[in-house]
Amino acid sequence: AQTVTQSQPEMSVQEAETVTLSCTYDTSESDYYLFWYKQPPSRQMILVIRQEAYKQQNATENRFSVNFQKAAKSFSLKISDSQLGDAAMYFCAYRSGPGTGYALNFGKGTSLLVTP
Amino acid sequence: DTAVSQTPKYLVTQMGNDKSIKCEQNLGHDTMYWYKQDSKKFLKIMFSYNNKELIINETVPNRFSPKSPDKAHLNLHINSLELGDSAVYFCASSQRPGNSPLHFGNGTRLTVT
Repeated sequence: AQTVTQSQPEMSVQEAETVTLSCTYDTSESDYYLFWYKQPPSRQMILVIRQEAYKQQNATENRFSVNFQKAAKSFSLKISDSQLGDAAMYFCAYRSGPGTGYALNFGKGTSLLVTP
Repeated sequence: DTAVSQTPKYLVTQMGNDKSIKCEQNLGHDTMYWYKQDSKKFLKIMFSYNNKELIINETVPNRFSPKSPDKAHLNLHINSLELGDSAVYFCASSQRPGNSPLHFGNGTRLTVT
């Protein structure tokens, strides 16, 4: 099974600043999909951004962008102009192929604290 | 318009009991999942169903039995509950193409005493 590693259990950023959350993964597949999900204290799982491995262009969604380095198997999330509402647990996820029902394999998460 | 709804939101029960968690999605998705989130927030896939067919069963004790009466529903029945079963259980759904994200329910917090 593919493994996803988030090496930063906790991160802190000041409001309006930029923060980068790191994620690496291990796979032998050439075609796959990567996601970042956010889980605020409400417990809801919210999709932040997704990236197809065959696309060289990094995905961007408003203040959220990724740095996808396929050769390095790295998929970091950059949050610009951080807001108090960005405080949450962030999970990186790898989507497996048909043999596993296209399930998401999650990293252990990074808890992001945003300070005023 | 709740996309993926699961009930109950909270479930407190004693060891040895049997309980069920229900999940329904109105997104027209063909694949549904159950995830377990432990006390350290780690999310682990338990089951995956596609068109009512079990696709994945990830080293889950056979006390856990998923049931999919139709594409829109995937229920989770747990027999002989143990203390270690305490966790948050998430139901999710998606379309099969790889770039389709999973849509999650709001979770069921199960506490076994």
